Amino acid sequence: SAVISQKPSRDICQRGTSLTIQCQVDSQVTMMFWYRQQPGQSLTLIATANQGSEATYESGFVIDKFPISRPNLTFSTLTVSNMSPEDSSIYLCSVEIRARGTDTQYFGPGTRLTVL
Amino acid sequence: AQSVAQPEDQVNVAEGNPLTVKCTYSVSGNPYLFWYVQYPNRGLQFLLKYITGDNLVKGSYGFEAEFNKSQTSFHLKKPSALVSDSALYFCAVRDMRNAGNNRKLIWGLGTSLAVNP
Repeated sequence: SAVISQKPSRDICQRGTSLTIQCQVDSQVTMMFWYRQQPGQSLTLIATANQGSEATYESGFVIDKFPISRPNLTFSTLTVSNMSPEDSSIYLCSVEIRARGTDTQYFGPGTRLTVL
Repeated sequence: AQSVAQPEDQVNVAEGNPLTVKCTYSVSGNPYLFWYVQYPNRGLQFLLKYITGDNLVKGSYGFEAEFNKSQTSFHLKKPSALVSDSALYFCAVRDMRNAGNNRKLIWGLGTSLAVNP
């Protein structure tokens, strides 16, 4: 597996502002993923971030709203831009690690965002 | 299209009793199947996965899951539930053929497990 940390763990923000969430992993990984999760609900994939290439966004998510950086194999950031209360959610990063024959995703602890 | 169904929003069991959390899937090819657990206010933790081979897969915390190809199911089980098993459980699938940026996981909606003392 891997040790994955996220900063901040939680934040309360005003509408119209932006927040950058950091994801750090203790080993080099090719693929990282950013998810959104409403408390008690399932995960929604925002984008896949490969080092050295542009992030691939899922339907309903755009780069202007959720810009992603992936400067190296151990780090990524997700920015939630021009926030509104609808962006209040838990944001999770995950990394893909190859183990016993296939790639498995491991998750960070999440960032709980509240937008007022 | 790929999909995962967890037919029960909530499962309640008494401590010490066996538990089952159900998952069925649909993929075009052969599946990779995963179970994750999320304890309150925590991130997701990997429990176990099925790739190929033995249909019964053993994972963390005494959990196991049985792959049934004919029923396209991958139910999570534990012989004796603990109160500390109370959490949200997610099933996920990926088509074995998918590669590159298309190898994302498809997630179920989750099942809330409550183990009563």
